[in-house]
Amino acid sequence: GAVVSQHPSRVICKSGTSVKIECRSLDFQATTMFWYRQFPKQSLMLMATSNEGSKATYEQGVEKDKFLINHASLTLSTLTVTSAHPEDSSFYICSARAGGPNQPQHFGDGTRLSIL
Amino acid sequence: GNSVTQMEGPVTLSEEAFLTINCTYTATGYPSLFWYVQYPGEGLQLLLKATKADDKGSNKGFEATYRKETTSFHLEKGSVQVSDSAVYFCALSLTNTGNQFYFGTGTSLTVIP
Repeated sequence: GAVVSQHPSRVICKSGTSVKIECRSLDFQATTMFWYRQFPKQSLMLMATSNEGSKATYEQGVEKDKFLINHASLTLSTLTVTSAHPEDSSFYICSARAGGPNQPQHFGDGTRLSIL
Repeated sequence: GNSVTQMEGPVTLSEEAFLTINCTYTATGYPSLFWYVQYPGEGLQLLLKATKADDKGSNKGFEATYRKETTSFHLEKGSVQVSDSAVYFCALSLTNTGNQFYFGTGTSLTVIP
């Protein structure tokens, strides 16, 4: 149980395009979803936290107009990288949690984004 | 503040060698501690966890003991296999920060036959 599916797993696109990444909880209702970014050979850095039906909370230094997060249902959150540039190339990972803070987070397999 | 410090890699071991990856933490409160593993091109998978002092987490031959006195959670395995090659992340979470995770920088392990 507790499977989180992330799609696509890899995307390559031209600079200036917008890219949408989906994060789905397949067998549970995710009241909270988290988006992380991982640069090569570095750790995961939390970008934002989203609760179903409300606006996402962004970490300091993360541009909310650049990284649009929508958590419209209890099983789906999306991250849209708008007008992507090469410096946005990274590994993006989502995680999902059912219930309150004491519940575990379950991670997706990540999305490798490459901007040319 | 809250942070996790891991030993730097990469680590290269021969098959059946003993593995230790050091992890120490700083936390404002009483954290839960985790080890996650990331295989190439994949997301994170929970390897083991411990939620209070002196707890030992174990899975797939890996072990780690929550040491409050030394604020450590070192990962060990007695005999590594080629299939253990991956990046290992130590992490903590605190309920007073909404269970936000704080990750170490990761330690890359390569096991050679």
